[in-house]
Amino acid sequence: DAGVTQSPTHLIKTRGQQVTLRCSPKSGHDTVSWYQQALGQGPQFIFQYYEEEERQRGNFPDRFSGHQFPNYSSELNVNALLLGDSALYLCASIYRSNYGYTFGSGTRLTVV
Amino acid sequence: EDKVVQSPLSLVVHEGDTVTLNCSYEVTNFRSLLWYKQEKKAPTFLFMLTSSGIEKKSGRLSSILDKKELFSILNITATQTGDSAIYLCAVERRYGGSQGNLIFGKGTKLSVKP
Repeated sequence: DAGVTQSPTHLIKTRGQQVTLRCSPKSGHDTVSWYQQALGQGPQFIFQYYEEEERQRGNFPDRFSGHQFPNYSSELNVNALLLGDSALYLCASIYRSNYGYTFGSGTRLTVV
Repeated sequence: EDKVVQSPLSLVVHEGDTVTLNCSYEVTNFRSLLWYKQEKKAPTFLFMLTSSGIEKKSGRLSSILDKKELFSILNITATQTGDSAIYLCAVERRYGGSQGNLIFGKGTKLSVKP
């Protein structure tokens, strides 16, 4: 049973560019959340998708947007990249009202 | 503002020692408290706590929640070098009738020396 898979694993982008990160949730999970983890910090909630809709959002600017597909997979898009966007981006999935999210291994984004 | 505070932020012990990691929180609409272990990238699930006073155990690890005093502890007995990792405490907020987002602490970096 595949867990949460994310791609790519590493990415280097230039300031001002746009990036798309991808996430396939654990089999049977229908809710996907994205988190940003800066070096030395705990993960910070970006947003959550359920039934292809953004259901909750954290304190992130509109440069951060997402999408969920009918097969529950999800994308995170970041426009106009800043140096401060360099971080580990984690995707987590869960099934409806169950407890305990499952995390993917993340995408390490470096903005230069 | 919701917050989760972990202490200590880092800890160095020797194999065989027992450690206690602390997590206090102030979060509205509390649903559960979770502990994760993060070695390289993916946080891996350790415990989920929803009720006060009920200890959860898994091998050498155990955890308990106090919803009155708003804190949790994670104990690791007979530590091994493989326990070296960052331990993250997260509080899940309730969103309607289901799960909401997780609010994480900064983590405790545990280093176990042979």
